[in-house]
Amino acid sequence: GDSVTQMEGPVTLSEEAFLTINCTYTATGYPSLFWYVQYPGEGLQLLLKATKADDKGSNKGFEATYRKETTSFHLEKGSVQVSDSAVYFCALISVRGGSEKLVFGKGTKLTVNP
Amino acid sequence: DVKVTQSSRYLVKRTGEKVFLECVQDMDHENMFWYRQDPGLGLRLIYFSYDVKMKEKGDIPEGYSVSREKKERFSLILESASTNQTSMYLCASSFGTGANTQYFGPGTRLTVL
Repeated sequence: GDSVTQMEGPVTLSEEAFLTINCTYTATGYPSLFWYVQYPGEGLQLLLKATKADDKGSNKGFEATYRKETTSFHLEKGSVQVSDSAVYFCALISVRGGSEKLVFGKGTKLTVNP
Repeated sequence: DVKVTQSSRYLVKRTGEKVFLECVQDMDHENMFWYRQDPGLGLRLIYFSYDVKMKEKGDIPEGYSVSREKKERFSLILESASTNQTSMYLCASSFGTGANTQYFGPGTRLTVL
């Protein structure tokens, strides 16, 4: 079945450091890809998405490019802030038996120190 | 702004109790979902619904049931709670099909003693 693999972390960085969180997927066809973020004590919220190959999603300084050649959707930010401390989830839309559902990676916890 | 609310943030129940977790969304979304979140396992889909009175099993439906009598409300039921159902439960909703954003509630942390 469809699946998502992301680096498990935890990841600890200093403020203004460069961030990369790797995400690769296995799926039939070319599914839409997402990054969700979960801040402490909250539910998940969409950070960015890309719906087709070579699309770049971006939001709040974060970017991710849909690479079909490497089946990847790595999350990057050039300069992280303390407020970026959260758990980040990579996900794809899986279609099976006429139903669509999100398939999530296991999440990567990011801590940014001042 | 889309709002998804869950009936409790924290809940403590005893083994064998029947537990109801309620979720309400205010944006007339057709689709609603229940996940559980566990450390090291990420989010796993329990049940979902694409319409009123309609439900489909997700990846881990055993020990759970759901009810959707009204479009805005989706309930998760633990018929006889067990300690291995101690977890964070997240509800989500979305509109239509395709790459539409799922909006999540704040979660209910359930402890079964």
